[in-house]
Amino acid sequence: KQEVTQIPAALSVPEGENLVLNCSFTDSAIYNLQWFRQDPGKGLTSLLLIQSSQREQTSGRLNASLDKSSGRSTLYIAASQPGDSATYLCAVRRTDSWGKFQFGAGTQVVVTP
Amino acid sequence: GAGVSQSPRYKVAKRGQDVALRCDPISGHVSLFWYQQALGQGPEFLTYFQNEAQLDKSGLPSDRFFAERPEGSVSTLKIQRTQQEDSAVYLCASSIRVSRGTEAFFGQGTRLTVV
Repeated sequence: KQEVTQIPAALSVPEGENLVLNCSFTDSAIYNLQWFRQDPGKGLTSLLLIQSSQREQTSGRLNASLDKSSGRSTLYIAASQPGDSATYLCAVRRTDSWGKFQFGAGTQVVVTP
Repeated sequence: GAGVSQSPRYKVAKRGQDVALRCDPISGHVSLFWYQQALGQGPEFLTYFQNEAQLDKSGLPSDRFFAERPEGSVSTLKIQRTQQEDSAVYLCASSIRVSRGTEAFFGQGTRLTVV
């Protein structure tokens, strides 16, 4: 059974610092991994999608890496801003049952001015 | 529309009431998922549609939960005889193709509170 874990559960950094968010999964048989952002009371906003054959994806200040063999992905956010405060969720797309997502519980990030 | 749209955004139901939650996926998207998110947790899978066919409903917690997508576009999640443990945010997501490699887009969710 696929388990997805995100550590730490919460993180507080001063503005300008780089953020490093970790996601680990137990079963390497995945199609892809997607990082999402969730603001309080809102839905999920897709940030980055990494296919299982890729090792990283970049978008602006965001960079996500994927090491499928060790079951890990890391999301880096450079030069954090107060507007980056949110909960960040990773989700792996399973190879069974039409590729449903298995989510971690998220990392709650606060960037202080 | 530009994104996945869900309505209503908020729903308060008295215990025992029936509720219906609507999802409008991005136009042309074949795959549609429903997820349930409890407070402080990641979303949990409920059910999956490919066009109008419900191919996986293994995540529906009880036979009080029912989902449909009769014309392969708009989907409705119905909960009968609501109970307090049904209180959660219900999220809908869609993908353009059946392929598991495609990006999924989520709606804003419907927050259901059962009192």
